[in-house]
Amino acid sequence: GQQVMQIPQYQHVQEGEDFTTYCNSSTTLSNIQWYKQRPGGHPVFLIQLVKSGEVKKQKRLTFQFGEAKKNSSLHITATQTTDVGTYFCAAFVTGTASKLTFGTGTRLQVTL
Amino acid sequence: EAGVAQSPRYKIIEKRQSVAFWCNPISGHATLYWYQQILGQGPKLLIQFQNNGVVDDSQLPKDRFSAERLKGVDSTLKIQPAKLEDSAVYLCASSLILGDGYTFGSGTRLTVV
Repeated sequence: GQQVMQIPQYQHVQEGEDFTTYCNSSTTLSNIQWYKQRPGGHPVFLIQLVKSGEVKKQKRLTFQFGEAKKNSSLHITATQTTDVGTYFCAAFVTGTASKLTFGTGTRLQVTL
Repeated sequence: EAGVAQSPRYKIIEKRQSVAFWCNPISGHATLYWYQQILGQGPKLLIQFQNNGVVDDSQLPKDRFSAERLKGVDSTLKIQPAKLEDSAVYLCASSLILGDGYTFGSGTRLTVV
């Protein structure tokens, strides 16, 4: 079945450093969503990207959708301890029923 | 606006027992989803409802799992009989329309011993 892979699986940064997670699919995606899940919590919707090459920003977070609509990235500038959690991309595959498939996730740890 | 409500928060059962989870979505949200999240993994879709009709249940182990959404509002997910590998967090989510971002409930953490 369709898989959405994320890299890295885990990243540990010091507060103030930047962080990027990448989401890749072998098939074309109709759109992509990003979620954040704090330790012990539930996924919280961050943003949705729809257009090829789209870039959206939320304060220190920058989201990008690839030109071919097969990959996406989330970049956090100057991480803070409040950024700790697991970041998931989730995607609808073009042409399938609207089933949202979650990626494998990237766990971010931030230390002072 | 009130969020997605789920109960119970935690459940411990022995293998071969049955268990049921309840979810009440955000008022007016037509679509409702049940996801299973095993520790360290991303959520996996079990079943998706549009109002009270099933849109997708291709990953639901139908020999032991069942779900219903009577009247197109709240929903229950049942496991009977439970296996050890069913230990996971069961997340309910809803969205206003298909393709929107999902709002998740706090989940039910199931431990099968």
